[in-house]
Amino acid sequence: SQQGEEDPQALSIQEGENATMNCSYKTSINNLQWYRQNSGRGLVHLILIRSNEREKHSGRLRVTLDTSKKSSSLLITASRAADTASYFCATDGYGKLTFGQGTILTVHP
Amino acid sequence: GAVVSQHPSRVICKSGTSVKIECRSLDFQATTMFWYRQFPKKSLMLMATSNEGSKATYEQGVEKDKFLINHASLTLSTLTVTSAHPEDSSFYICSAPGQAYSGANVLTFGAGSRLTVL
Repeated sequence: SQQGEEDPQALSIQEGENATMNCSYKTSINNLQWYRQNSGRGLVHLILIRSNEREKHSGRLRVTLDTSKKSSSLLITASRAADTASYFCATDGYGKLTFGQGTILTVHP
Repeated sequence: GAVVSQHPSRVICKSGTSVKIECRSLDFQATTMFWYRQFPKKSLMLMATSNEGSKATYEQGVEKDKFLINHASLTLSTLTVTSAHPEDSSFYICSAPGQAYSGANVLTFGAGSRLTVL
């Protein structure tokens, strides 16, 4: 069954604005990860948050995790045109990653 | 950092032929590799887990005789799509646990292979 469900499916913003993507999941997890995929390419790992963490930062990325609500959010601040890509959350269920449907982010210059 | 090389990036073949896709870990050893399939604007679907020196573990619904996986060495896994048909056309991506996160399954992905079956 699909573990991660992402919202919104597509997001279109102007350069300089912030982008927020949400991910919900169903079962218990060891950690949750976010990946980025440029069109027609493989995925690149962005950030990992463990189940006992609530918030994590990496550069312009901020991830939150609410295990009581089984949800996570990824915030990209001061977006750039180069941030245009698909973003996937992935839940690590102790040995196997399950990916969400992804959010297609378009940042207009 | 860890790099996974995947070839070919694009392949077009006739229906009924077999296609082999290679996945190599360039600067690290990978006893396990994962093969995913991705449809347009869709999520990644795990097809199988490739294990060095043993048989691959296939996900439910994936035909093991259709998608042959061989993990011949600690740096090479191959996926062969046998007797390919147009419905096998897709984007195939391999990955390997390549980053040092204690107790976490963080993957390094290849660039993917676009298979088109005519």
